[in-house]
Amino acid sequence: DIQMTQSPSSLSASVGDRVTITCRASQGISNSLAWYQQKPGKAPKLLLYAASRLESGVPSRFSGSGSGTDYTLTISSLQPEDFATYYCQQYYSTPPTFGGGTKVEIK
Amino acid sequence: QVQLQESGPGLVKPSGTLSLTCAVSGGSISSSNWWSWVRQPPGKGLEWIGEIYHSGSTNYNPSLKSRVTISVDKSKNQFSLKLSSVTAADTAVYYCARESVVVAATGAFDIWGQGTMVTVSS
Repeated sequence: DIQMTQSPSSLSASVGDRVTITCRASQGISNSLAWYQQKPGKAPKLLLYAASRLESGVPSRFSGSGSGTDYTLTISSLQPEDFATYYCQQYYSTPPTFGGGTKVEIK
Repeated sequence: QVQLQESGPGLVKPSGTLSLTCAVSGGSISSSNWWSWVRQPPGKGLEWIGEIYHSGSTNYNPSLKSRVTISVDKSKNQFSLKLSSVTAADTAVYYCARESVVVAATGAFDIWGQGTMVTVSS
């Protein structure tokens, strides 16, 4: 299985801050990477796929980049509704695997 | 707009079988999508369990393969999960999810059910 390692596991930020979350795969995944947002008691929501493509309806303050084994999710200006836990997921090979999550909390 | 809804017992006894169903509404389970089960233990991360296509083809997580069966009922527009020989470690929120068919997104989960909590306890 491909192991996905996210960092940091949690962070505190203020509204308006630029936030960056990283995800590292144990082997190259050719941009087959998705990012999800999960709020307490809710299902994950797809934000980006193919490392950098925005899912329909997702605000443009969310962006993704990376290649090979290293990928990044950036929130350009954190909004109150963005406080949540974020997960990366590789779909390069079966089984698809998720990172351990990054909890974004209010400073 | 496709929606997914999980249903099934919220409490299962140890060594028993967990059985859940995911009803698909607003679309057909016979579309080009694969349909998956994903679980999340309390306070922990996400684990993919397995997937099914409307033809009945399946793929399972090797870590669970010996205990998992996923099936489809096209007449009812739903798919199901059975997990046998459960222990407390199988306590989790279980989600059904649809895999995207968008180019370059095949394998990402674009629609999720609300999730159902299953507790394994005597």
